[in-house]
Amino acid sequence: KNEVEQSPQNLTAQEGEFITINCSYSVGISALHWLQQHPGGGIVSLFMLSSGKKKHGRLIATINIQEKHSSLHITASHPRDSAVYICAALNNDMRFGAGTRLTVKP
Amino acid sequence: ETGVTQTPRHLVMGMTNKKSLKCEQHLGHNAMYWYKQSAKKPLELMFVYNFKEQTENNSVPSRFSPECPNSSHLFLHLHTLQPEDSALYLCASSQEQGQGGYTFGSGTRLTVV
Repeated sequence: KNEVEQSPQNLTAQEGEFITINCSYSVGISALHWLQQHPGGGIVSLFMLSSGKKKHGRLIATINIQEKHSSLHITASHPRDSAVYICAALNNDMRFGAGTRLTVKP
Repeated sequence: ETGVTQTPRHLVMGMTNKKSLKCEQHLGHNAMYWYKQSAKKPLELMFVYNFKEQTENNSVPSRFSPECPNSSHLFLHLHTLQPEDSALYLCASSQEQGQGGYTFGSGTRLTVV
């Protein structure tokens, strides 16, 4: 069993829908990262959080340390949000989830 | 551009070739990482350098050889690779190992024929 589990693996949504991607981890962490990977392969860091909630534009990330669970929400989704979203737990090393492939259809 | 530059973006090499991947950052970060991403698998850590010293070698075969001449540059030297080594190789950096935000490069897509 992977130390970082994401769900769902694949997600298809219509433009404008509210999206939620979940991440559970079993290791102790100093921070939890949400990353975005576009088809070309490059990875962009969206959030790094260790408690509570962070918001950037239409993206919101939350974390519950006690439950070892984090969620990434996208409001008013758009086709350009289509990408793979990766959750990563940081504690000296980064442990990665397998990613959630999101497709937003117009 | 994220601040971490990887070259080349694509590489096709034969099993008997020797090639090198390059990673460069001018973010003032002191830790640099090589990751391998194979199809449908999570990113796998290969090597970590912290303040130019190698601190992690995650059981990587010796046909992969890292080099970190200074805090801004990281190389991955490749020789006698196997087809199963075909993958996306990603470089990342952070302020120090395990601290701060990670900045990733765009990756080198390697195909071994």
